[in-house]
Amino acid sequence: GAVVSQHPSRVICKSGTSVKIECRSLDFQATTMFWYRQFPKQSLMLMATSNEGSKATYEQGVEKDKFLINHASLTLSTLTVTSAHPEDSSFYICSARGLRRKNTEAFFGQGTRLTVV
Amino acid sequence: TQLLEQSPQFLSIQEGENLTVYCNSSSVFSSLQWYRQEPGEGPVLLVTVVTGGEVKKLKRLTFQFGDARKDSSLHITAAQPGDTGLYLCAGAWNTDKLIFGTGTRLQVFP
Repeated sequence: GAVVSQHPSRVICKSGTSVKIECRSLDFQATTMFWYRQFPKQSLMLMATSNEGSKATYEQGVEKDKFLINHASLTLSTLTVTSAHPEDSSFYICSARGLRRKNTEAFFGQGTRLTVV
Repeated sequence: TQLLEQSPQFLSIQEGENLTVYCNSSSVFSSLQWYRQEPGEGPVLLVTVVTGGEVKKLKRLTFQFGDARKDSSLHITAAQPGDTGLYLCAGAWNTDKLIFGTGTRLQVFP
């Protein structure tokens, strides 16, 4: 399967600071990337969908000014959590879908555990 | 709201037992996928089903897509401790978005 790399895998930051998470597709061009967050013992909740070169589409209830998404190239999307607060602590996961992927098949990064103290 | 309900939510069984996990929605899927996730990692794709009534097998795992494409099931035969994990179904409704089910946490004891 395709490889999606997410970095960092873990990050601890102070309340009020910003954190950037990177998602890279290593062996294919990702036309669409998705960002999810997952709370302990829960499923994945879609935050936003980003297409290369255009603005991200955010799900209802997700603050676009707080969770900045940039998909500037076909291999890289970034999620920046701005002015982080303890309630933003969560597991953030990206997935990527490429040009030749059938249906909606997408591949996931290994996730980023964010802890805001 | 497009919801995918999975049942059961939790399942604890002994090694060698069989089990079935269900994924249901009131909407028709264009495609459905099953994933397995281990703690601290991203989900790993197990299978994609597209056609109503489709059955796919992956070793001891059997996946079925309902005729009306509103539901799916995952059956595991002779479960092993290595099957332990969070099983997630995810569906798409003719859009780019992939929406995940509520999840089934499986624990297989030796």
